[in-house]
Amino acid sequence: DVKVTQSSRYLVKRTGEKVFLECVQDMDHENMFWYRQDPGLGLRLIYFSYDVKMKEKGDIPEGYSVSREKKERFSLILESASTNQTSMYLCASSYHRANQPQHFGDGTRLSIL
Amino acid sequence: AQTVTQSQPEMSVQEAETVTLSCTYDTSENNYYLFWYKQPPSRQMILVIRQEAYKQQNATENRFSVNFQKAAKSFSLKISDSQLGDTAMYFCASRLGETSGSRLTFGEGTQLTVNP
Repeated sequence: DVKVTQSSRYLVKRTGEKVFLECVQDMDHENMFWYRQDPGLGLRLIYFSYDVKMKEKGDIPEGYSVSREKKERFSLILESASTNQTSMYLCASSYHRANQPQHFGDGTRLSIL
Repeated sequence: AQTVTQSQPEMSVQEAETVTLSCTYDTSENNYYLFWYKQPPSRQMILVIRQEAYKQQNATENRFSVNFQKAAKSFSLKISDSQLGDTAMYFCASRLGETSGSRLTFGEGTQLTVNP
């Protein structure tokens, strides 16, 4: 089975802190994704990567950055956390082909105080 | 650009009955894929069913089937013989073509509750 592991299920940070969310997949997937999930808005794409050291902006990249130094690991960085970044964050991975499904992690519930 | 719309924020159904969740999408492309994902209360999102736009036959996976109306850009999910374990948030999603950077666009989600 595909396993996508997010480093934390729950995380509480303070405004202005630099926050790292880590994601690791074990299926040698080329693509990796970070989403934000908010009630009534579905999942919104923050950033994605289709290869090591490659990254593309999604729909809501402002206030975030990402890093993909190794194929299996994709990190989301909140440079200076703000209260409006309190949300559920989901990581996903997939093979390149568009008919291949994305596999998701359990999510990280991030609260910024 | 793609858009995906789920117009039913919440639905409920009695156990063993059938329920249909609606989804409409908008794209100018001819080559795309459609998916339904399920997110149970434990939160891990899992794939329920997928449909290739070039296939006219509706996809089926056990109790789950779709009604794909390409001209109407509609992609509804039918759940037959509903079970308590079907209680979850359901998301409709679309993905374009074959490009390496192709990405999913999600709808807002429908919270389905199966009542005993």
